[in-house]
Amino acid sequence: GAGVSQSPRYKVAKRGQDVALRCDPISGHVSLFWYQQALGQGPEFLTYFQNEAQLDKSGLPSDRFFAERPEGSVSTLKIQRTQQEDSAVYLCASSLEGGVRQPQHFGDGTRLSIL
Amino acid sequence: RKEVEQDPGPFNVPEGATVAFNCTYSNSASQSFFWYRQDCRKEPKLLMSVYSSGNEDGRFTAQLNRASQYISLLIRDSKLSDSATYLCVVNIILTGGGNKLTFGTGTQLKVEL
Repeated sequence: GAGVSQSPRYKVAKRGQDVALRCDPISGHVSLFWYQQALGQGPEFLTYFQNEAQLDKSGLPSDRFFAERPEGSVSTLKIQRTQQEDSAVYLCASSLEGGVRQPQHFGDGTRLSIL
Repeated sequence: RKEVEQDPGPFNVPEGATVAFNCTYSNSASQSFFWYRQDCRKEPKLLMSVYSSGNEDGRFTAQLNRASQYISLLIRDSKLSDSATYLCVVNIILTGGGNKLTFGTGTQLKVEL
């Protein structure tokens, strides 16, 4: 497709389970970002990749959160031992280059609910 | 204090009204500025970039004041379809390279008949 694709669209997990969220960026986009959006809030930055390199992970809330992009295209955000406070929408965005004026294009997000 | 502050609203306006949203940011190193629109349960979509010289796109006008660290969005002749949450966004360069978007909480607009 032409846009950023995320899967699954919805994910329900029990507290303590591990989850994996997938992002397929726009073809050819070098930069990939993950954001977390809690209800009623704006998205919050989690981590950034330039190709396969994870250049910044300062927004990851804890060491239970791990992201990878091994071949510089598809990315996976993994959350281990999920907690209720992890419930949120996880948004992936990509941009053509890393330039600060490049717009970021967002996927539909994965809505994660931890019971 | 949040890095990007917006009035959360909601702003309820009649169709055809002019409405203005304001936003302030605290990081003077912010490099670029945007307004994104987010519909309920949808992803944020870029509405427009914001420049110091001011820029206009149809019914939408955006303005940036770097000295005051203030960003605005004006919507003229509002339509029912303008109902959404408007996110004020600044782009900051990351230490290790690249950049990240920092979002305000969003201002909710409801345009009514």
